[in-house]
Amino acid sequence: RKEVEQDPGPFNVPEGATVAFNCTYSNSASQSFFWYRQDCRKEPKLLMSVYSSGNEDGRFTAQLNRASQYISLLIRDSKLSDSATYLCVVAPDSNYQLIWGAGTKLIIKP
Amino acid sequence: DTAVSQTPKYLVTQMGNDKSIKCEQNLGHDTMYWYKQDSKKFLKIMFSYNNKELIINETVPNRFSPKSPDKAHLNLHINSLELGDSAVYFCASSQSRTGLTDTQYFGPGTRLTVL
Repeated sequence: RKEVEQDPGPFNVPEGATVAFNCTYSNSASQSFFWYRQDCRKEPKLLMSVYSSGNEDGRFTAQLNRASQYISLLIRDSKLSDSATYLCVVAPDSNYQLIWGAGTKLIIKP
Repeated sequence: DTAVSQTPKYLVTQMGNDKSIKCEQNLGHDTMYWYKQDSKKFLKIMFSYNNKELIINETVPNRFSPKSPDKAHLNLHINSLELGDSAVYFCASSQSRTGLTDTQYFGPGTRLTVL
């Protein structure tokens, strides 16, 4: 099992729809979780951190399920500009490195 | 205004050559990183420096050698380039020592193609 797994997609979604994707992680002791966004041929940028209680930032909601070892990202009222690859990032308990998922590609269609 | 900058943006070279990529950050961060993103889009850490001290050195060929002259700069030198080195190399920085709890800021990437 990979340390961090994501459905690569692509997810083709009409504008205005709600889309959700999950990311599973293998290390139960993992402590920090993030969603990064990467546009085509650009660098990754932090979208949001994921807190234990779940958190929301505008149209974006992130949740953590420790029991099942996954985090999720929900995008409501999707915009064309949301088209990107969404990278799940997990910080293990003791290692000095972040573990990056391969990303889920999202395409919003008009 | 660029927070993390890398040069060059594109690098096309022949197998066996030696090349360097430079990275600078003006965020005042203590920690800098080199990542490699291959054709399958996996982002893998290669090295991390905190205040010029190497703190992460993943299993990469010793043809790759990072150098940090000061905490604002982290360069990557690659000897005897191979076809498999073709990838996008990202430099990043973070305030904390490990980057485990705070944002990592990435440079625009250097797209290396080895012919």
